Amino acid sequence: AQTVTQSQPEMSVQEAETVTLSCTYDTSESDYYLFWYKQPPSRQMILVIRQEAYKQQNATENRFSVNFQKAAKSFSLKISDSQLGDAAMYFCAYRRADDMRFGAGTRLTVKP
Amino acid sequence: DAGVIQSPRHEVTEMGQEVTLRCKPISGHNSLFWYRQTMMRGLELLIYFNNNVPIDDSGMPEDRFSAKMPNASFSTLKIQPSEPRDSAVYFCASSFIGRGDEQYFGPGTRLTVT
Repeated sequence: AQTVTQSQPEMSVQEAETVTLSCTYDTSESDYYLFWYKQPPSRQMILVIRQEAYKQQNATENRFSVNFQKAAKSFSLKISDSQLGDAAMYFCAYRRADDMRFGAGTRLTVKP
Repeated sequence: DAGVIQSPRHEVTEMGQEVTLRCKPISGHNSLFWYRQTMMRGLELLIYFNNNVPIDDSGMPEDRFSAKMPNASFSTLKIQPSEPRDSAVYFCASSFIGRGDEQYFGPGTRLTVT
């Protein structure tokens, strides 16, 4: 079974600084998708960024970027210039066809 | 598009009662997922539909839980009879397989069973 592991239950960052959230996954497949979702206190799940496994280039969305290491099965999220609104739970997710797995989440605190 | 719509947003019921949660996926999406989120177990996939057909219901905790998708624009998750341990936030999500595959989540239904 595919598993997704987020080894950091909690992380903290100073406003305007950079933070990296870790994610590793287990799969025997070569073609799949990886995602980072954000869940603020409103509990709405919001897609932050996605990465296709067949693409070597790391995805970037404004202040959010990933470091995708396919051989190491690692998919970390970097948040640059952290803002107070970035405070939330962040979930790493894997999907291939009808197999969708989420990590346990990392709670990010942003200090003013 | 209004996004994924779930109702009700909050539900409080007594143990033993029937609970029905509703979901309207994004128009044009061909897959729909029901999740349960608790502090103890995190986000759990309960059941997944593709083109209105249940594909994987291995996550459904027990026979008290059932889900239907009578058409492409509506799905229900029913718990009968409900128990206090069913208290959780239930999310519905939809996606289009073959086009990015990202799931779009509804706002969730917070269920409290007393």
